Amino acid sequence: EAAVTQSPRNKVAVTGGKVTLSCNQTNNHNNMYWYRQDTGHGLRLIHYSYGAGSTEKGDIPDGYKASRPSQENFSLILELATPSQTSVYFCASGEPGGGAEQFFGPGTRLTVL
Amino acid sequence: GEQVEQRPPHLSVREGDSAVIICTYTDPNSYYFFWYKQEPGAGLQLLMKVFSSTEINEGQGFTVLLNKKDKQLSLNLTAAHPGDSAVYFCAVSDPGTGSNRLTFGKGTKFSLIP
Repeated sequence: EAAVTQSPRNKVAVTGGKVTLSCNQTNNHNNMYWYRQDTGHGLRLIHYSYGAGSTEKGDIPDGYKASRPSQENFSLILELATPSQTSVYFCASGEPGGGAEQFFGPGTRLTVL
Repeated sequence: GEQVEQRPPHLSVREGDSAVIICTYTDPNSYYFFWYKQEPGAGLQLLMKVFSSTEINEGQGFTVLLNKKDKQLSLNLTAAHPGDSAVYFCAVSDPGTGSNRLTFGKGTKFSLIP
């Protein structure tokens, strides 16, 4: 059974609309992460969390918010979606210890028209 | 902060041939390194985790070498087969915080020549 799941798997949004991407993990990991993947850029960290109630800015947080209401759930929120946010978004979970592996979800393909 | 350069961006070999993907990082204090494999339409799966104390790491069908002097990490695929076709990413773990933030290379798309 998949330990990190994402919903929706595909999303088409309009410019200026609000988009919420959801992630759920059953690994009981403290840390969770949101990345976006773009051709030529690899994966870039948007936001991450140390646990319920915690959100931290990653390397490219502008235009994104995050919410961690529980150990299991971590959401990425685009309040005013723009076409430049068209991308594939990955959620991951991991332990906080040094060198711990991150476990990735299957990704959400977001298209903003 | 840490920067990771990965090359080549594309790599095609014939079945049975070997191939090398190289990553160069900048922070000499980095201690943990990762190789991930991404198959089409899927998330990333861990291929191997490398500690700074170990220079040679062997997996099934591949070897990972760490050259700390030159700050290089390489993935050597031996005897490539169709199941190896994927995008490969190296990643370096942030040594300074408990966040375990990863800095990724841009990826190498690996495929077999028919």
